[in-house]
Amino acid sequence: KAGVTQTPRYLIKTRGQQVTLSCSPISGHRSVSWYQQTPGQGLQFLFEYFSETQRNKGNFPGRFSGRQFSNSRSEMNVSTLELGDSALYLCASSFSGTAYGYTFGSGTRLTVV
Amino acid sequence: GENVEQHPSTLSVQEGDSAVIKCTYSDSASNYFPWYKQELGKRPQLIIDIRSNVGEKKDQRIAVTLNKTAKHFSLHITETQPEDSAVYFCAASTDGDDKIIFGKGTRLHILP
Repeated sequence: KAGVTQTPRYLIKTRGQQVTLSCSPISGHRSVSWYQQTPGQGLQFLFEYFSETQRNKGNFPGRFSGRQFSNSRSEMNVSTLELGDSALYLCASSFSGTAYGYTFGSGTRLTVV
Repeated sequence: GENVEQHPSTLSVQEGDSAVIKCTYSDSASNYFPWYKQELGKRPQLIIDIRSNVGEKKDQRIAVTLNKTAKHFSLHITETQPEDSAVYFCAASTDGDDKIIFGKGTRLHILP
C-alpha cells in the first residue's frame, strides 16, 4: 500500500513569506501529526488532527497552523516565516491516533533565506 | 505531563560490538513502546516495538527489553554493522489515548 506522502519535498522561501505543506496519510488512517526537526534536534511535536479536528497541540507560536480535510489529507501553514523555521517538517499518520501503525512521511525540507 | 527520557544522546561503538540505548517513561499507563531508526536524510522508520505484557522481544540482531516496574525500556543491537549508524528514537504511548511521546533521540556511530 502507498505510504505517507508529503509534498513538496524541498522548498525555499524568503523571510516574511508564508508556506503551506501537504501530507496525504496512508489509506484508512484518520490521524495526522506534524513534527519539526532541526539539525541535531529531536522530533518537536507541532499538532495532531483526527477526523478534521485538532486534538493535540505542541508548544509552537500561532504562526504555525494546520487543518485536515474530510479525506484525512492535512496541510500545515507557517505564516511570516523566520530564519529559524528552516527545518525538516515530518508528518505521520495512524489509524486511530495511537502509536500502533504510526508511519512517517519522507518530510518537506524548508529553507528560509 | 508524560515524558520520555532517552540516553545517551550520542553513542560510538566499534563495528561488531553491541550497542544499548535506554529510555525511561513517566506515565505508568503507557503500554506500547516503539523504536524508530532515522538514517541520514530519511524518514524515521519503525524497527521494533514491544507491548507492556511482554518483557523482551527479538528480531535478528535487534532486541528490546521492558521493565514495567522501573518504567524503562532498552534497545539492544548486537554485532553492529556500518548500516546501523543512524539516529534512534524511542517512544511511549497508551492504547486509547491519542498521544505518542518521543525521546530526544540517540545518534549511533559505528566505528570501523
